[in-house]
Amino acid sequence: QSALTQPPSASGSPGQSVTISCTGTSSDIGTYNYVSWYQQHPGKAPKLMIYEVSKRPSGVPDRFSGSKSGNTASLTVSGLQAEDEADYYCTSYTGIYIWLFGGGTKLTVL
Amino acid sequence: EVQLVESGGGLVQPGESLRLSCAASGFTFIDYWMHWFRRAPGKGLLWLSRIDSDGSGTIYADSVKGRFTISRDNAKNTLYLHMNSLRAEDTAVYYCSRGSYYHFDYWGQGALVTVSS
Repeated sequence: QSALTQPPSASGSPGQSVTISCTGTSSDIGTYNYVSWYQQHPGKAPKLMIYEVSKRPSGVPDRFSGSKSGNTASLTVSGLQAEDEADYYCTSYTGIYIWLFGGGTKLTVL
Repeated sequence: EVQLVESGGGLVQPGESLRLSCAASGFTFIDYWMHWFRRAPGKGLLWLSRIDSDGSGTIYADSVKGRFTISRDNAKNTLYLHMNSLRAEDTAVYYCSRGSYYHFDYWGQGALVTVSS
């Protein structure tokens, strides 16, 4: 059960766009459209931002979008705002009721 | 309003046991799978375990299989994580979450478990 691969950090200025990648294998991201993304501010609970690759829960701004190509999923944050600064985690279902997480990406708004 | 509140964390010595609880409210508890996760200091989130809605099916990550046991009491709307043979590397904030199909839509605030002599 190897973790998914995310860059440890990403950054952008207010108003810019930033994309965070999440690379898995043909056994997880490559097979299942069950990729989800979570935002976690320091000391807070994780918050669901994207599910099933590209769907947004109600209340999540449409500045957040998700996509997938092959074994890699991506989270794009457009029109960066100061409150977007947080840790972001991807996760993928791997079959037989097991889920893998990425190592997390710290997003800094410059 | 959906609420998940973890409790039972604390400081324990290596080899000891601990039971975490997750009190659920604001939704029909018996309708949902539930999950446990943790985030160790300086590390990322890790999925630990899932239990299905009636408690008959459970599964674990390799890192805790055989030492941790997930359970639930649907009459009390409460999820549990029984942790045995605790090690220093189990030190983490532990979170419970509601499963919604193949993602996790609500999370608790977490319970800190510290394993140290």
